[in-house]
Amino acid sequence: DQQVKQNSPSLSVQEGRISILNCDYTNSMFDYFLWYKKYPAEGPTFLISISSIKDKNEDGRFTVFLNKSAKHLSLHIVPSQPGDSAVYFCAAKGGGADGLTFGKGTHLIIQP
Amino acid sequence: DAGVIQSPRHEVTEMGQEVTLRCKPISGHNSLFWYRQTMMRGLELLIYFNNNVPIDDSGMPEDRFSAKMPNASFSTLKIQPSEPRDSAVYFCASSLVISGANVLTFGAGSRLTVL
Repeated sequence: DQQVKQNSPSLSVQEGRISILNCDYTNSMFDYFLWYKKYPAEGPTFLISISSIKDKNEDGRFTVFLNKSAKHLSLHIVPSQPGDSAVYFCAAKGGGADGLTFGKGTHLIIQP
Repeated sequence: DAGVIQSPRHEVTEMGQEVTLRCKPISGHNSLFWYRQTMMRGLELLIYFNNNVPIDDSGMPEDRFSAKMPNASFSTLKIQPSEPRDSAVYFCASSLVISGANVLTFGAGSRLTVL
């Protein structure tokens, strides 16, 4: 059973508009959440993270929101740029384990 | 820093052959992780080490898979014998575990094809 779910396999957004990627989790022991970005033939690269004691973290064009009661987090990218086209993975950590549990990813396509 | 280095980048082998994937973590990192990526299952954690000691290998599919970390700068993932269903991209990642936070840095991956 998937503990971290990204229900949208793909998302197409126009350049300059906002991209919103969603992620749901089921394990209430998760206390740290991350977003990774992956280009083809490369490994995932860290983008932004949030601790469970916060509900928002912002870094430039990227903002992550966490709703603990709904077990939901989202990544907002604004404005979206062509270089943002990639697969985005949501990941979570907690319960005493150091490994990250990943969702299956959302392929974001930014259209000119 | 050269980042996490994995080799080989691509491996094509025949069923029944032994496969060894190698990883050099970032110097100073104290944890190392092996992940496997497939279309069906996404990124799965196979095993991870803290200070060269295996901590959790519950993700290792079966006894055909083994991993070692003889020192802080080198790890191997071995599959013997290999099967077509092992075809996947295998990622190694390392991190410096700080209480609460754990940002993994990934290598570029080793794409394995078993015929």
